[in-house]
Amino acid sequence: GQQLNQSPQSMFIQEGEDVSMNCTSSSIFNTWLWYKQDPGEGPVLLIALYKAGELTSNGRLTAQFGITRKDSFLNISASIPSDVGIYFCAGQLEQGAQKLVFGQGTRLTINP
Amino acid sequence: DAGVTQSPTHLIKTRGQQVTLRCSPKSGHDTVSWYQQALGQGPQFIFQYYEEEERQRGNFPDRFSGHQFPNYSSELNVNALLLGDSALYLCASSFFGRGTEAFFGQGTRLTVV
Repeated sequence: GQQLNQSPQSMFIQEGEDVSMNCTSSSIFNTWLWYKQDPGEGPVLLIALYKAGELTSNGRLTAQFGITRKDSFLNISASIPSDVGIYFCAGQLEQGAQKLVFGQGTRLTINP
Repeated sequence: DAGVTQSPTHLIKTRGQQVTLRCSPKSGHDTVSWYQQALGQGPQFIFQYYEEEERQRGNFPDRFSGHQFPNYSSELNVNALLLGDSALYLCASSFFGRGTEAFFGQGTRLTVV
């Protein structure tokens, strides 16, 4: 089945540092999404990308939909303690389809 | 406006038993999808329900079945539980055809012993 390879698996950074994580696939995706999941909660959508090459920001978060439609990255600038959590990329193969394919996640830990 | 609500939050079952998990979608949403999230992994799509029918299914055995009611709420049933079924089960709701705008519930943590 389809797989998304997300890296790195974990990150340990100092507060105030910038963060970058990415996701790649062997399949072409129609849409790329980035979620954050806190302990005991479901994933919460951060950014949605709908066009190849699209660059979208949400506050300190910036994400891009790769030109090949097989990759995406998420950057977080000036990290703060509440950024701690697990970040997932997800892709949608067909427009309008409900099924999302998720990466394995990147666990972000911040040292104050 | 209540978001997606799932019940129960935690559940412990014995191998071979059957379990039913419940989901109430966000107000106005008509489509419910179920995901299984094993520890340390991303969610895996189980199936999606719209208009009380299963519309799309992931790579899960027939032991996993579901139902959607006229009020759009949904149930996930798992028969003949295996130890490997232990996971967080997530429900996501959306408008049909707008899966990228889905909202997730907090999940049901199922432990099979």
